[in-house]
Amino acid sequence: NAGVTQTPKFRVLKTGQSMTLLCAQDMNHEYMYWYRQDPGMGLRLIHYSVGEGTTAKGEVPDGYNVSRLKKQNFLLGLESAAPSQTSVYFCASSIWVYEQYFGPGTRLTVT
Amino acid sequence: GQQLNQSPQSMFIQEGEDVSMNCTSSSIFNTWLWYKQDPGEGPVLLIALYKAGELTSNGRLTAQFGITRKDSFLNISASIPSDVGIYFCAGQLSGGSQGNLIFGKGTKLSVKP
Repeated sequence: NAGVTQTPKFRVLKTGQSMTLLCAQDMNHEYMYWYRQDPGMGLRLIHYSVGEGTTAKGEVPDGYNVSRLKKQNFLLGLESAAPSQTSVYFCASSIWVYEQYFGPGTRLTVT
Repeated sequence: GQQLNQSPQSMFIQEGEDVSMNCTSSSIFNTWLWYKQDPGEGPVLLIALYKAGELTSNGRLTAQFGITRKDSFLNISASIPSDVGIYFCAGQLSGGSQGNLIFGKGTKLSVKP
């Protein structure tokens, strides 16, 4: 059981470039989430999904898109990266909303 | 948006000491959770609380769901060096959107051997 995995672990982008972060879970969880973590800001929810084919906006969704085509995968896309999107991104999953299990994170730098 | 006030922001203690930290809000929560994050890793769930007044232990960790449903406390007894990390509280707001946990900004714990 790998739990929640994230790809890639590190990435450097130039302003305006696009990329997709992949999250995969092997626990058959219905709920999946994308958070960003910035120094002194805690974790902030970007988007989440309550099941395959569904997505919803969280607290800070602007500049990001997501897709949940398969139950085990949740993709986070940045269409045109900006320096303000430099952050550590965490994916999480849960059977129901409360007990969320986190992946190891992706550290993204936008120059 | 809604905020959780987590305190203290940081603690520097001697090995063997007990530790207390808390989260407070002006809003009512249905659920409180406590996570620990080690450097370079994702948060790991320590304790989940579902009822006002609930007191739950996990080894040397004990957490309580405040009776007013607006706060929660985490205690660590007899701290050891591996307790070092950042501790986050998180909660599900009463009447909040499905899927939304609100996180505190964390308490950074340092333990001196």
